[in-house]
Parts: sequence; C-alpha cells; structure tokens
Amino acid sequence: KAGVTQTPRYLIKTRGQQVTLSCSPISGHRSVSWYQQTPGQGLQFLFEYFSETQRNKGNFPGRFSGRQFSNSRSEMNVSTLELGDSALYLCASSPDGALTGELFFGEGSRLTVL
Amino acid sequence: KQEVTQIPAALSVPEGENLVLNCSFTDSAIYNLQWFRQDPGKGLTSLLLIQSSQREQTSGRLNASLDKSSGRSTLYIAASQPGDSATYLCAVRDTDKLIFGTGTRLQVFP
Repeated sequence: KAGVTQTPRYLIKTRGQQVTLSCSPISGHRSVSWYQQTPGQGLQFLFEYFSETQRNKGNFPGRFSGRQFSNSRSEMNVSTLELGDSALYLCASSPDGALTGELFFGEGSRLTVL
Repeated sequence: KQEVTQIPAALSVPEGENLVLNCSFTDSAIYNLQWFRQDPGKGLTSLLLIQSSQREQTSGRLNASLDKSSGRSTLYIAASQPGDSATYLCAVRDTDKLIFGTGTRLQVFP
C-alpha cells in the first residue's frame, strides 16, 4: 500500500514568486493536513482538508492557501514568497479525519527561497 | 494555549542501553498523543499512537505511556541500536491539529 506522496521533493524559488506543492494521501484516506517545519519554529500546523472542505486553519498569513480535490489529493500554494518561507512542508493523511485518528506523513517538499 | 516540551533535547548513548524519552504537555484536554521518528531530511514516521483513554502502547522494542493528569508521556526504547539514531517527536492532538514538541535528537553509537 503506497504511503503519502509529496511532489516536488525539492525546489528553489526566488522572493516574490509563488509555489504550488502537491500531496497524494494514502488510498482511502479522506483527510489531508499540512505542516511547516523550520529550525526556528519547529513543526507548525497550516491547514486541514476533509472531503474537499477546509476544516481548520493555522496561524499563517493569507499568502498560504490550499485546496483538496474530489480524489482527496491536495495542493498548497504560497504566493509572494519571502525568505522566511524556506522550510520543509509536510503533508499528512488520516482515514476519516476523526480527532482520534492516526496521522501518516509524507517525505515532505523542501522549499528554498533565495 | 497548549505547549509541548521534550526533554532531553539531545541524547548520545552506547548501543544496548535502555532509553527513556520524555514529553510533557500543559493542557490535559487532548484526544491522543502520537510519537514520531524523523531521520535527517526526511518526513515523519509514526511509531505509536496512544488514545486519551489509554495508558500505554507497545510496538516491538518501543513502549509509550501516557499520564494525562500529570501531562506526561514517556517513550521507552529497549536495547537501543545504531539504527535507532534519529530525532524523536511527540505530538498531542488538540481539537483541530497536532501540536508538536521540539524533539529529542538521539544518537546510538556502536
């Protein structure tokens, strides 16, 4: 059974550009959440999607957005990139989005902003 | 506001030792607690999930306990091996997200 797949694994952008990251959850999983990991702030919650609806959102500016498709795949977009957006972006999926459910993470997309 | 702390921040031990990693949280109103392992440059691998109604979970050489009333969880690693070297993260499930600790960086040397 395939795990959570994130693409691209690595990317380099310059300030002011935008970026789109993709996440394919484990087959059958309907909930997808996104986290940002940086050396200074650790792992922080970005947002969660369930059945194409954003259920929760973390404390990030509006430049960070996401969506989920009918096949549960999710994308997140960051516009007007800043140097501080350099991070490892991790996607996690869970079967039904239950608050007691186990989360399974992908390998992440490492974004470098120059 | 929920805060999660992990002690120690780093640990270096010889192979074969039994280890205890600590995780503490400030608000006992959690749904569950999950332990993860992260290798350098990699994603998170789920190790153990403890629901709020449970006291412990075991998987192979790993055992995790949960004491909600005191806001503490421990991860016990038996007979450590060099392959156990990684960063270990605990995370508590709040109403809508996981809140992570800062991790314990473990090095097991031969």
